[in-house]
Amino acid sequence: DGGITQSPKYLFRKEGQNVTLSCEQNLNHDAMYWYRQDPGQGLRLIYYSHIVNDFQKGDIAEGYSVSREKKESFPLTVTSAQKNPTAFYLCASSGGRVNQPQHFGDGTRLSIL
Amino acid sequence: SQQGEEDPQALSIQEGENATMNCSYKTSINNLQWYRQNSGRGLVHLILIRSNEREKHSGRLRVTLDTSKKSSSLLITASRAADTASYFCATALSLLSNFGNEKLTFGTGTRLTIIP
Repeated sequence: DGGITQSPKYLFRKEGQNVTLSCEQNLNHDAMYWYRQDPGQGLRLIYYSHIVNDFQKGDIAEGYSVSREKKESFPLTVTSAQKNPTAFYLCASSGGRVNQPQHFGDGTRLSIL
Repeated sequence: SQQGEEDPQALSIQEGENATMNCSYKTSINNLQWYRQNSGRGLVHLILIRSNEREKHSGRLRVTLDTSKKSSSLLITASRAADTASYFCATALSLLSNFGNEKLTFGTGTRLTIIP
């Protein structure tokens, strides 16, 4: 089945450590997105990518980095500069045109040790 | 700031009743989308309504859009226990004209509980 796979499901970060969240899609979608969700809140956009080897900052990019070397993959690194990283992280993809929905993975929950 | 704001924040109804959730937004949009999120899971797309549409149906779901009032509503008819979830509206704006891609801005959601 086509879909988006996020791993790991749970992740723990130590102080001063960088961690990388994986996102893989087999939907042949051009566009991919990373969101952060805090308890009782909506989603906020961290980074997005329209096409391979190109990505743009979203609303809350500070302390995060991404890469888009392959169409299928859009990993997110939470760096030590992100002082409040505890949250639920969601990856999504879309066909990259107007009036198309986004398809979401099942998320990674990141906590601080 | 949040583009979409859902109302109410929480809603509890008996199984079989209808559930109505509302969403208000601030700027012109390409489309408005509704998503469902079960606890600890990702979002599932329910329905997309374009800015030139006024009403759309999908199974037990009915969505309306009033661009003059900048508001939308989601109606779930004949609710079931499996409908228990959080529901989010998301407004879509064009990111870059040459790519034709869109940015979604999400509201804070309505938590719906269906009582068996």
